[in-house]
Amino acid sequence: DAGVIQSPRHEVTEMGQEVTLRCKPISGHNSLFWYRQTMMRGLELLIYFNNNVPIDDSGMPEDRFSAKMPNASFSTLKIQPSEPRDSAVYFCASSFRTGQGTGKNGYTFGSGTRLTVV
Amino acid sequence: GEDVEQSLFLSVREGDSSVINCTYTDSSSTYLYWYKQEPGAGLQLLTYIFSNMDMKQDQRLTVLLNKKDKHLSLRIADTQTGDSAIYFCADRLFFGTGTRLTVIP
Repeated sequence: DAGVIQSPRHEVTEMGQEVTLRCKPISGHNSLFWYRQTMMRGLELLIYFNNNVPIDDSGMPEDRFSAKMPNASFSTLKIQPSEPRDSAVYFCASSFRTGQGTGKNGYTFGSGTRLTVV
Repeated sequence: GEDVEQSLFLSVREGDSSVINCTYTDSSSTYLYWYKQEPGAGLQLLTYIFSNMDMKQDQRLTVLLNKKDKHLSLRIADTQTGDSAIYFCADRLFFGTGTRLTVIP
């Protein structure tokens, strides 16, 4: 397996533009997570899906952020309109979760998308 | 959400032991994890501990778990410059903010 694949690796956009980040989880994993990492706030959970269904989006900063998972092999995180304070590294992670949680294999992270909004 | 807390920075001299501490609040986590993030990369699972264990040793790594106090620690013996990275503890869902370990030659 190629691991969790995120695209693009880097994105530079102007304030007000729409940004779409993409993620392909590991085949067979049933949970997908979007995180944001900044120096000031560390790693923040934005939203996670279980079996393609959004379970908890309480970490999504505001209505400008939206996430979808139309099928088990693809998810998007969209920011519209983007603002400079959205600049961060956005990580996607996937795992196989049972009723006991994630298990000893934990989460597998993608390499992240570094977003810069100017 | 549940809180997982860590100190932000730790500096040690090469060859010394490093101890990174973490507190968590979710007592239902079956496993607790330590992840390592090297510059420009995503997080990678370093080790884990099952919640009914007190200690786990894996080569230079020792994980200690105090369930009563909800305290987790990671000890790296004989710290090397290649150990410089950000270390995250995590429960079943949430991550700490990460501890940036700097190893001084």
